[in-house]
Amino acid sequence: AQSVTQLDSQVPVFEEAPVELRCNYSSSVSVYLFWYVQYPNQGLQLLLKYLSGSTLVKGINGFEAEFNKSQTSFHLRKPSVHISDTAEYFCAVSEVNAGGTSYGKLTFGQGTILTVHP
Amino acid sequence: DAMVIQNPRYQVTQFGKPVTLSCSQTLNHNVMYWYQQKSSQAPKLLFHYYDKDFNNEADTPDNFQSRRPNTSFCFLDIRSPGLGDAAMYLCATSRDYKATAAGQPQHFGDGTRLSIL
Repeated sequence: AQSVTQLDSQVPVFEEAPVELRCNYSSSVSVYLFWYVQYPNQGLQLLLKYLSGSTLVKGINGFEAEFNKSQTSFHLRKPSVHISDTAEYFCAVSEVNAGGTSYGKLTFGQGTILTVHP
Repeated sequence: DAMVIQNPRYQVTQFGKPVTLSCSQTLNHNVMYWYQQKSSQAPKLLFHYYDKDFNNEADTPDNFQSRRPNTSFCFLDIRSPGLGDAAMYLCATSRDYKATAAGQPQHFGDGTRLSIL
């Protein structure tokens, strides 16, 4: 079974500062990795995903993440945040080539609330 | 735009009074999921449909049921809501199992926030 740990429950930053949201996972099989963003009272929107290939993936809204297999991490970064980036961010994994009842089931971390201050 | 639409966005019901939440999709996806998300927690999968096949998570209470009358619609029924069922309920879709197994993401609606009086 997989598990996902988001190391920070809340991250406050000032506008235009860089930010890193940390995610570590545990799994006995290969996984796909995702970052989702949830704005207040809305559903989850995909920011980016890692399936294979280059370990640095770029997503929407200027975010990027780096997959580190040896450290089982998938940290999310943005070099300069905006007020509009204030939201909750979820890291998630799904099992590669899942079959049967595993059907690409997502395992989520507990979320990190990013608050950008002016 | 193809979308996942949840109605209503906010639902208030009384303790013990049955309630139904609705989800529709224009993506023509085979798989539809229902998640429960309590305040400051990760979404928790309740069950999913692959086409007409219903798949319940082992720890989903019997109080929660679902119906999928056609490809586009899926309903979440809570037979006797308790105070602990107050949460955001999220519907999501994916094209099919092969797609999700290949890493295609799930598409989420904006959720229905359920309050219990």
